[in-house]
Amino acid sequence: GAGVSQSPRYKVAKRGQDVALRCDPISGHVSLFWYQQALGQGPEFLTYFQNEAQLDKSGLPSDRFFAERPEGSVSTLKIQRTQQEDSAVYLCASRLDRGAFNEQFFGPGTRLTVL
Amino acid sequence: TQLLEQSPQFLSIQEGENLTVYCNSSSVFSSLQWYRQEPGEGPVLLVTVVTGGEVKKLKRLTFQFGDARKDSSLHITAAQPGDTGLYLCAGASGGSNYKLTFGKGTLLTVNP
Repeated sequence: GAGVSQSPRYKVAKRGQDVALRCDPISGHVSLFWYQQALGQGPEFLTYFQNEAQLDKSGLPSDRFFAERPEGSVSTLKIQRTQQEDSAVYLCASRLDRGAFNEQFFGPGTRLTVL
Repeated sequence: TQLLEQSPQFLSIQEGENLTVYCNSSSVFSSLQWYRQEPGEGPVLLVTVVTGGEVKKLKRLTFQFGDARKDSSLHITAAQPGDTGLYLCAGASGGSNYKLTFGKGTLLTVNP
């Protein structure tokens, strides 16, 4: 497919477990974004990569959250020692980066439930 | 902190009715975007408005950006069941407008 893909689509973790969420952006897209969407809320910005460089991680809620994009393509969002408040849908988006207002394309998200 | 407030939060109407959704902020954004999100999917961009006072039309949807670039509205004419979904506004800021600040969304249900 040509869109942004995310895996797994659903993840159930016990409190205290570590999880890793994967994002495959659209091929050739330079920028990649992670968002957290709690139930009944709009997405909230977590972090932004331009190629392999993480240019903004101001939205990461705590030092338990870590994101990487080592080769400037696939990205992984890792959450250590998960807590119940981490339960949310995690959305990934990518952007081509041609022009000032070009579109972010979103993946379907990973729904994380922490028990 | 830049915040976007959307109203109403929920809206349930009958097919054929018109509706307006509002997005307000105390901050100025370089552009404002409207998205629609369906269950189990990511948001899909409907429109980007850039200039204060700008009006854009997309079939039965009309988008307006306030003169001061702090507020926006989405008007749907003759709503159809296929319009059902979560409508989100998002303000863009930061270099290359990378940072999107989303409102909480308006959940629209159009009943046949």
